[in-house]
Amino acid sequence: EVQLVESGGGLVKPGGSLRLSCGASGFILSSHNMHWVRQAPGKGLEWVSSITSDNYIYYADSVKGRFTISRDTAKKSLYLQMNSLRVEDTAVYYCAKDCGTYCPFGYWGQGTLVTVSS
Amino acid sequence: SYELTQPPSVSVSPGQTASITCSGDTLGDKYASWFQQKPGQAPGLLIYQNNHRPSGIPERFSGSKSGNTATLTISGTQAMDEADYYCQAWDSSTAIFGGGTKLTVL
Repeated sequence: EVQLVESGGGLVKPGGSLRLSCGASGFILSSHNMHWVRQAPGKGLEWVSSITSDNYIYYADSVKGRFTISRDTAKKSLYLQMNSLRVEDTAVYYCAKDCGTYCPFGYWGQGTLVTVSS
Repeated sequence: SYELTQPPSVSVSPGQTASITCSGDTLGDKYASWFQQKPGQAPGLLIYQNNHRPSGIPERFSGSKSGNTATLTISGTQAMDEADYYCQAWDSSTAIFGGGTKLTVL
């Protein structure tokens, strides 16, 4: 059974850093495209970043140069390093896994809340 | 930047059919996915590749596309279907989500 469990969220001041983790089980992490999607309070879904099975990496313009996606197959974890955080980065962050070539967001974790506030 | 447009809200009576649209330039050339999100929960996949339903998704949920508009249809809508619904497509290497549609089952 596929399971995705996010952790690492919390309260951070503007300009600060945070690293989110997504523990993956039930599948081989390196063989799948993985994603981070966020949702600001009361707002819709916003794609943040993706890492493909062949290690291509993509970012939304809103986080490019500040966020870094990575994965550690030995630890079965996906990460999102977030630097230079802004108030507008406040959101629940979800990790997601594909379910096939044309099925990018087939499985979702429960999310972790990041609050950026002074 | 690329955008997907959804109606903010749709209302339906129990047992009736609900249709939620998603439109975008060149959406006809892309695959659309649909997600359901209930309050306090993570989103869940309903439809991928325009009209494919993952295992476990009830048959009353179906997807279609005509031109640059994708449509999620819920047949025989139930009270439990009250939720937010999002469409999604890729533009180059960027994932785009629609703004979401709140479905109310009256």
